[in-house]
Amino acid sequence: NAGVTQTPKFQVLKTGQSMTLQCAQDMNHNSMYWYRQDPGMGLRLIYYSASEGTTDKGEVPNGYNVSRLNKREFSLRLESAAPSQTSVYFCASSEARSLRDQETQYFGPGTRLLVL
Amino acid sequence: GESVGLHLPTLSVQEGDNSIINCAYSNSASDYFIWYKQESGKGPQFIIDIRSNMDKRQGQRVTVLLNKTVKHLSLQIAATQPGDSAVYFCAEITPIMDTGRRALTFGSGTRLQVQP
Repeated sequence: NAGVTQTPKFQVLKTGQSMTLQCAQDMNHNSMYWYRQDPGMGLRLIYYSASEGTTDKGEVPNGYNVSRLNKREFSLRLESAAPSQTSVYFCASSEARSLRDQETQYFGPGTRLLVL
Repeated sequence: GESVGLHLPTLSVQEGDNSIINCAYSNSASDYFIWYKQESGKGPQFIIDIRSNMDKRQGQRVTVLLNKTVKHLSLQIAATQPGDSAVYFCAEITPIMDTGRRALTFGSGTRLQVQP
């Protein structure tokens, strides 16, 4: 089991460029999440998906879009990157089946994004 | 709003000593708590969890204590090793009144430094 995997590990973008962060999990988890982690601010939820085909906004969704491609994969897209989106992005998954559930989340290794 | 917090931002201990990392929570409705370890450059890693119907739970070299009276959570690491150096943060899961949903909130973390 690889757990949660993310690509790329590191990326540098210029302001206005677009990119997609990829995430996959092999634990057959129902829910998947995208977080950003900034110094002194802890983890902040960007978007989550409780099941294939469903997505919901988290705490800081502006400037991002997501796609739950199938049960395994959940991608995060920046259409027009801004310096404020410089951060470390973590994908996570859990067994939670709906917003009524919350279970332990398992995290990927992160993608470090620098927007110039 | 109510949030999870930590008493000490940095904790320095000698190798072989026991470590205690504390977490205060303010929402008495929270019923599930999780401790994560995050090493430099890596994603958060699940350590141990505890439900609110328990006061104590033990893992390998780790013990989590829950004091619901004072809304306090602690992580005890026995015989601390250099490999334990990391940021530790707690997370709480709270039912959201009248929605049927449950919210997961992360604290900002405590850095544990193990001195050889």
